[in-house]
Amino acid sequence: EAQVTQNPRYLITVTGKKLTVTCSQNMNHEYMSWYRQDPGLGLRQIYYSMNVEVTDKGDVPEGYKVSRKEKRNFPLILESPSPNQTSLYFCASGTPGETGSYEQYFGPGTRLTVT
Amino acid sequence: EDQVTQSPEALRLQEGESSSLNCSYTVSGLRGLFWYRQDPGKGPEFLFTLYSAGEEKEKERLKATLTKKESFLHITAPKPEDSATYLCAVPGSARQLTFGSGTQLTVLP
Repeated sequence: EAQVTQNPRYLITVTGKKLTVTCSQNMNHEYMSWYRQDPGLGLRQIYYSMNVEVTDKGDVPEGYKVSRKEKRNFPLILESPSPNQTSLYFCASGTPGETGSYEQYFGPGTRLTVT
Repeated sequence: EDQVTQSPEALRLQEGESSSLNCSYTVSGLRGLFWYRQDPGKGPEFLFTLYSAGEEKEKERLKATLTKKESFLHITAPKPEDSATYLCAVPGSARQLTFGSGTQLTVLP
């Protein structure tokens, strides 16, 4: 089954304790991205990756890191989490459409709480 | 700066009562418009991509249309299982995706 998987699905942590949220896709997509979703603010893109070793900032990259060492994996790293990073996080992977833009398919989400 | 505005924020319909959701956008050089459905606590589910004004796409009770300034998602004879938040998004020039804030649709039996 074609899918994007994220782990963990739920995470409660404390301020400053480094954490990694993993993301993996089995569709051989070159494009992958991370979003956060907050009430009243909607979905906002954190980082995206056009291919292995190619990453770029989205709209809200502060406080996050990513790496793309393999095509299927795109982990999100919070080196020193803070309470304002409490959110619902989604990973997505995409396939190019007619104009080079990407139709993206989302994972199930990771609900992160930072106390 | 790319902007996407969806209206209404919330919509309650009786089962079978058709309606439309609106997505207006401001982007320099439209390279596609995407519609997604999102159920509470779940990831957005891809529905449609529209690329040019006049284009239409259908899936079951949903039909998406596109003009030069906006897109509509028409829901014909909705059922309670169509209840969800519907999101539209446009790709930016730098490969980002900008989402609207969504329309929360509730279909009452």
